[in-house]
Amino acid sequence: GQQVMQIPQYQHVQEGEDFTTYCNSSTTLSNIQWYKQRPGGHPVFLIQLVKSGEVKKQKRLTFQFGEAKKNSSLHITATQTTDVGTYFCAADSNYQLIWGAGTKLIIKP
Amino acid sequence: EAQVTQNPRYLITVTGKKLTVTCSQNMNHEYMSWYRQDPGLGLRQIYYSMNVEVTDKGDVPEGYKVSRKEKRNFPLILESPSPNQTSLYFCASSPLGGPSNQPQHFGDGTRLSIL
Repeated sequence: GQQVMQIPQYQHVQEGEDFTTYCNSSTTLSNIQWYKQRPGGHPVFLIQLVKSGEVKKQKRLTFQFGEAKKNSSLHITATQTTDVGTYFCAADSNYQLIWGAGTKLIIKP
Repeated sequence: EAQVTQNPRYLITVTGKKLTVTCSQNMNHEYMSWYRQDPGLGLRQIYYSMNVEVTDKGDVPEGYKVSRKEKRNFPLILESPSPNQTSLYFCASSPLGGPSNQPQHFGDGTRLSIL
């Protein structure tokens, strides 16, 4: 079945550094969603990308959907402690969401 | 307040003892879903329901049952739990059309430990 590969599994950054997570699929995606899960919490919807080459911004977060609609990325500029958590991508597949394994953002003390 | 409510939040039980995790949403959503979350594996869908009396298997349905007799409720049933079902479980809902073009709203999760 369809799979979505998400890398890296973890990223350790100093506060103020940037963070990026990537999702890749071997098949063309109709759309992709991004969620954030805080430690001990539940996934919370961030954004959905639908169009080829789409770029959306939410304050310090930039989301991109590849031209071929097979990959997507989330970039956070100047991380803050409130950004800590795990970021998931999820791709639509016949009324189901296929989830990436997530990237955990860890702020170094 | 719009929400998805799961109960219990935590449960420790023994192999073979039937259990039910309840899920209720107050947003009049047609689509509901159950996921399990295990370290390094992301979220895997167990079952989903497009509407009342309509349920379908997700990626990991073995050992689980669901029912959708009312729009707001979507219980998850483990008839004979086994230790490999120890996990964190999430219920989610979304409006008509499901997650294809709508965000999913998640409950707070149920942490199950099967001894």
